Amino acid sequence: SQQGEEDPQALSIQEGENATMNCSYKTSINNLQWYRQNSGRGLVHLILIRSNEREKHSGRLRVTLDTSKKSSSLLITASRAADTASYFCATATNQAGTALIFGKGTTLSVSS
Amino acid sequence: DVKVTQSSRYLVKRTGEKVFLECVQDMDHENMFWYRQDPGLGLRLIYFSYDVKMKEKGDIPEGYSVSREKKERFSLILESASTNQTSMYLCASSPPGAGEAFFGQGTRLTVV
Repeated sequence: SQQGEEDPQALSIQEGENATMNCSYKTSINNLQWYRQNSGRGLVHLILIRSNEREKHSGRLRVTLDTSKKSSSLLITASRAADTASYFCATATNQAGTALIFGKGTTLSVSS
Repeated sequence: DVKVTQSSRYLVKRTGEKVFLECVQDMDHENMFWYRQDPGLGLRLIYFSYDVKMKEKGDIPEGYSVSREKKERFSLILESASTNQTSMYLCASSPPGAGEAFFGQGTRLTVV
C-alpha cells in the first residue's frame, strides 16, 4: 500500500494553542492535500500544496512540504473548540488516472 | 453549491445479500472514487473511475465491484455482503488531474 502516515495519531490541546500535525508519504507526488472530517461526516478539503511549493497559508492554516524527506506538516494557529475533528493528508501522484491516497489521520481535540 | 450525494446515511443488510451503494455528483467531474473508512485504518481506496465505463482497482477491491454507466453516477456493489464489510463508505469526485476532491456525507453500512 502507498498509504501515508500522520503523526501523532491523537492530539489534545487547549483553546488558543497551536496544533501541529505531520504527514509522511512514500512516492513521488504531484501535490499533497489536507482534509478535515467532523465526527461521522464526509471529508472537507482544506488546502493543497504542489510539489514545487514549500509553504502555503490559508487563514489560520499553514502547510509545509519537504519533498526530499517526503513529509508535510499542517499547523493550525490559535486553535478553537470548533477545530476539533480528524485531519487527513492525501497525496496525488503524477500518473494520469490515479486516485488520492489518504493517510490514517490525526484526531485533534481542542478543549475550552 | 457543489454536491456529492450518497443514497443512504445508514444501511443494515444481511450476510449474503447483494448491496448497492449509489453516489451522484452534480459537478460534471470525470473522476469518482469509493473509499472505506475503518477506525485506526484511515481511508482505503476500493475502486475509482476516471471516465464513464472506466474503472480501476484500488488497494482493497476484493468483494466489491463498481458500475459507472453515466458520468454523474458511480455505484459500489457488494456481491455477497459479509460482516467484515461493515464499515463507513465514502464516495468522492474530482475534476481531471490531481485537484481537490469533494466528498459525500458517507454511508454507514452494517452487515448482520
